[in-house]
Amino acid sequence: DTEVTQTPKHLVMGMTNKKSLKCEQHMGHRAMYWYKQKAKKPPELMFVYSYEKLSINESVPSRFSPECPNSSLLNLHLHALQPEDSALYLCASRTEAGRYNEQFFGPGTRLTVL
Amino acid sequence: GNSVTQMEGPVTLSEEAFLTINCTYTATGYPSLFWYVQYPGEGLQLLLKATKADDKGSNKGFEATYRKETTSFHLEKGSVQVSDSAVYFCALSAGAGGTSYGKLTFGQGTILTVHP
Repeated sequence: DTEVTQTPKHLVMGMTNKKSLKCEQHMGHRAMYWYKQKAKKPPELMFVYSYEKLSINESVPSRFSPECPNSSLLNLHLHALQPEDSALYLCASRTEAGRYNEQFFGPGTRLTVL
Repeated sequence: GNSVTQMEGPVTLSEEAFLTINCTYTATGYPSLFWYVQYPGEGLQLLLKATKADDKGSNKGFEATYRKETTSFHLEKGSVQVSDSAVYFCALSAGAGGTSYGKLTFGQGTILTVHP
């Protein structure tokens, strides 16, 4: 299995809702990433987990809450989002064995905040 | 800090035309270089990579050579197809040592449209 899966594919939520995005990989990768991508722009890094430990938080607002329950799974909990948070949310994973390996991306969750 | 600069788009070509997308970078040390492609409505896919100077990455007819002397990693394809229409991102990684955790620095992306 050489892919990263993300669910749901699309999500519409109101500003008072609580929802979660899910990401899964079965490649044995120990580094996992959340990105936010606006249309026609490069992905912006949000969080990095390394060996299930939060290693980087790029000053992301607390309405986004990441969680790594185990080495294969990564969640992003959403609460009280703003319309400007509407974007494509991408998950990626990478092996920690070796310094120069690429990240593998999932297909993304298209989030719309009303 | 690290940075990547891509040629501005969009780029519009006819089928079977030659493609070049320029990419230059600034980085300390010896980064790895990548080209990712994003088709409409999809995530990013690795197109090719190079991990040291003079390495040539290639895949699906695309090529790029890691040129340390000019800090460049230009993407080329000899004959594009309509199916190559996508957004192309050049990126670098300074490695996973220290506190970098394999972070990618992306260029701004180049939109390619190929017409029949």
